[in-house]
Amino acid sequence: DAKTTQPTSMDCAEGRAANLPCNHSTISGNEYVYWYRQIHSQGPQYIIHGLKNNETNEMASLIITEDRKSSTLILPHATLRDTAVYYCIVRVPNSGGSNYKLTFGKGTLLTVNP
Amino acid sequence: DAGVIQSPRHEVTEMGQEVTLRCKPISGHNSLFWYRQTMMRGLELLIYFNNNVPIDDSGMPEDRFSAKMPNASFSTLKIQPSEPRDSAVYFCASSLAGAGNQPQHFGDGTRLSIL
Repeated sequence: DAKTTQPTSMDCAEGRAANLPCNHSTISGNEYVYWYRQIHSQGPQYIIHGLKNNETNEMASLIITEDRKSSTLILPHATLRDTAVYYCIVRVPNSGGSNYKLTFGKGTLLTVNP
Repeated sequence: DAGVIQSPRHEVTEMGQEVTLRCKPISGHNSLFWYRQTMMRGLELLIYFNNNVPIDDSGMPEDRFSAKMPNASFSTLKIQPSEPRDSAVYFCASSLAGAGNQPQHFGDGTRLSIL
């Protein structure tokens, strides 16, 4: 899996957009970008994933640059409950064979302040 | 929809005792994963099952650790005998493999303390 680089920590004011960057300059053509988060004392929670097009769901938006070497997770209106560690992971889809590993790095601790 | 269910949520036991952690994956999912999380090492994959068959157990730390998946709706992770260094949070996750890029869904974990 391609290596990712994320800032160690970020702050965001409640109600504002939180923009979390991720660099993945060695990503290969068939690797997807996945985002997970882990709220304290809970299991990792899937947020969103994408290949090359921008994606949006009820939780967040994912913006992937045209060269796919970086991406940004956007939480449009951050709340205190969004305080968590956010993980950016790149990998090929799990086909039931060898492409199953999720390698979690250290992630970004996002703190949403009142 | 019910998510991945793990039990117990907390376990405190003495060194040398057998510990059994349980997981019920999401119905219809055919891949199951056991992870361990510690402050020092972060989240580590211990073992991966596909269609109830162990595919990769290279992350299992020692012979003291064993995992089974007798059917599609149940898996166990057993530690015998347990040691203080096994103290960690153990997560189970499931996904639908072979169907494109389905994500893994995690349970809330078992917090294990070995005294």
